Amino acid sequence: GQQVMQIPQYQHVQEGEDFTTYCNSSTTLSNIQWYKQRPGGHPVFLIQLVKSGEVKKQKRLTFQFGEAKKNSSLHITATQTTDVGTYFCAGGSGGYNKLIFGAGTRLAVHP
Amino acid sequence: DAGVIQSPRHEVTEMGQEVTLRCKPISGHNSLFWYRQTMMRGLELLIYFNNNVPIDDSGMPEDRFSAKMPNASFSTLKIQPSEPRDSAVYFCASSPLQGRIETQYFGPGTRLLVL
Repeated sequence: GQQVMQIPQYQHVQEGEDFTTYCNSSTTLSNIQWYKQRPGGHPVFLIQLVKSGEVKKQKRLTFQFGEAKKNSSLHITATQTTDVGTYFCAGGSGGYNKLIFGAGTRLAVHP
Repeated sequence: DAGVIQSPRHEVTEMGQEVTLRCKPISGHNSLFWYRQTMMRGLELLIYFNNNVPIDDSGMPEDRFSAKMPNASFSTLKIQPSEPRDSAVYFCASSPLQGRIETQYFGPGTRLLVL
């Protein structure tokens, strides 16, 4: 079945450093969504990418969707302690409104 | 507007007991999802409903798990009998159903501990 792989599993950075997490799907996706889960919290929607090669920015966060619509990345510039949490990608492959979530990348930011 | 509501927020029970988790989706959302999250297995989709009808229950671990959605504003996930390995955070999420993949809105989760 469809799988969404996400790396790295864990990333530890110093405040001010950049951070990137990568997502790869075994099949072509209709769209990809990114969620953030703070420690002890629940996943919260960040953004959705639909078009091949699409790039979207939210302040210090940059999201990319690959040309083949099988991979995606999230890049955070100059991390802050408020960026701490687990970032999940989730891929949709058409019909039925179902998402397949990656395992998540847990980001720790040290001041 | 109220988000997705889940109850209870925390549940501690003994092995063999029945556990019922409850979810009220966002009003107007036609899709409802049950997820389980553990450190070892991450976020797993257990089952989801569109318009109160179960669409895919392939993630339900075994017959001890069952889920129902009797109407558009309420769903339950039941574990009977519960086992220690069922300890996890169970999330309910809802989304609109508009012919494409929509954003999912997660509830706060139920933290289940089976002793």
